[in-house]
Amino acid sequence: QKEVEQNSGPLSVPEGAIASLNCTYSDRGSQSFFWYRQYSGKSPELIMSIYSNGDKEDGRFTAQLNKASQYVSLLIRDSQPSDSATYLCAVNTGTASKLTFGTGTRLQVTL
Amino acid sequence: ETGVTQTPRHLVMGMTNKKSLKCEQHLGHNAMYWYKQSAKKPLELMFVYSLEERVENNSVPSRFSPECPNSSHLFLHLHTLQPEDSALYLCASSQEFGNEQFFGPGTRLTVL
Repeated sequence: QKEVEQNSGPLSVPEGAIASLNCTYSDRGSQSFFWYRQYSGKSPELIMSIYSNGDKEDGRFTAQLNKASQYVSLLIRDSQPSDSATYLCAVNTGTASKLTFGTGTRLQVTL
Repeated sequence: ETGVTQTPRHLVMGMTNKKSLKCEQHLGHNAMYWYKQSAKKPLELMFVYSLEERVENNSVPSRFSPECPNSSHLFLHLHTLQPEDSALYLCASSQEFGNEQFFGPGTRLTVL
């Protein structure tokens, strides 16, 4: 079983719609959760961090964490073509104190 | 700009060459990381330095040799690489080991 799982996509959404990206993780001891955005040919850019159950909002982005179900999601409201990228989920297990990354979900926002 | 710089941005080398990748962070962070990113694979953690001490080495072949002379600089020395080592090599730093990490732009390495 992969430690951090994401659907590779591509996830295609029309401009202006809500994009929903999901991530599941296997280690129940995980403490911190991060979403990175990576444009083609570029390095990952941190866009959201979440540490406790519930929702965390930052502009058009909302991260949702459910530790009981071991999933974390990222919602992007009013999706724009510039949001087209690969979104990486990263989890800090706490015990290992390192980030484990998923393979990423490729998002395509269509006009 | 994240405050993490990497040089060179692109590198082509033969299997018998020796080269070094350099990373510098201007964020005052205590931990620095080397990752390898290959197509269709998740980011692979290679090395971690915390307060200039290597705290993790993920079974990386000895042809990759890290060096951390101080908390702001990190090097990855390369020798006798293989074509399968061609990848994007990313440096990252964080305030504390395991916390939010900020990535440099990466070095695109091609081994002929």
